[in-house]
Amino acid sequence: AQSVAQPEDQVKVAEGNPLTVKCTYSVSGNPYLFWYVQYPNRGLQFLLKYITGDNLVKGSYGFEAEFNKSQTSFHLKKPSALVSDSALYFCAVRDSSTGFQKLVFGTGTRLLVSP
Amino acid sequence: SQTIHQWPATLVQPVGSPLSLECTVEGTSNPNLYWYRQAAGRGLQLLFYSVGIGQISSEVPQNLSASRPQDRQFILSSKKLLLSDSGFYLCAWSTSLTDTQYFGPGTRLTVL
Repeated sequence: AQSVAQPEDQVKVAEGNPLTVKCTYSVSGNPYLFWYVQYPNRGLQFLLKYITGDNLVKGSYGFEAEFNKSQTSFHLKKPSALVSDSALYFCAVRDSSTGFQKLVFGTGTRLLVSP
Repeated sequence: SQTIHQWPATLVQPVGSPLSLECTVEGTSNPNLYWYRQAAGRGLQLLFYSVGIGQISSEVPQNLSASRPQDRQFILSSKKLLLSDSGFYLCAWSTSLTDTQYFGPGTRLTVL
């Protein structure tokens, strides 16, 4: 069975500093990995995904994520945080060997960026 | 471009009343459709998914049901709401060409 772990319930950074939101996964086959962001009382917005190819994936709003197969991780990063980045971030995984596009989501990490 | 709509945006219902939430997708054909529930602003629980008209798969036994009467319409229903049905309900779509799920704006349901 596939699973995702987001070990940090909350991450706090100052505006202008780099940020990292951690995600580790477990699948039996090759992973398809996703990051989403959710603002209060809104739906999830897609940020980026890793399917295959380059381990460094660039996405929306200056975010990027690095796929590390040996550590089974897919951490979300941004070089310089903005106050407007404050939101709830979800990592999700799908096992590429399954016949249906069912995603398993982590429990979410709340990012707080202080001015 | 594709868009996804959900209504109503918010709903307050008494315990024991029926429920109908609607989701529609525009700009794509034969999408895969999903219903999720998010409790307490955190983790997402997949409730139902559908790969075509009339084809519904349930992930978790519960007080809810889903239907897909048209290609781009997905409905979540209940005959009698429970307090535990309160939450934020999200609809999503994807296609066979992309593994990415795209989410609607959600419906906030409060059962009193």
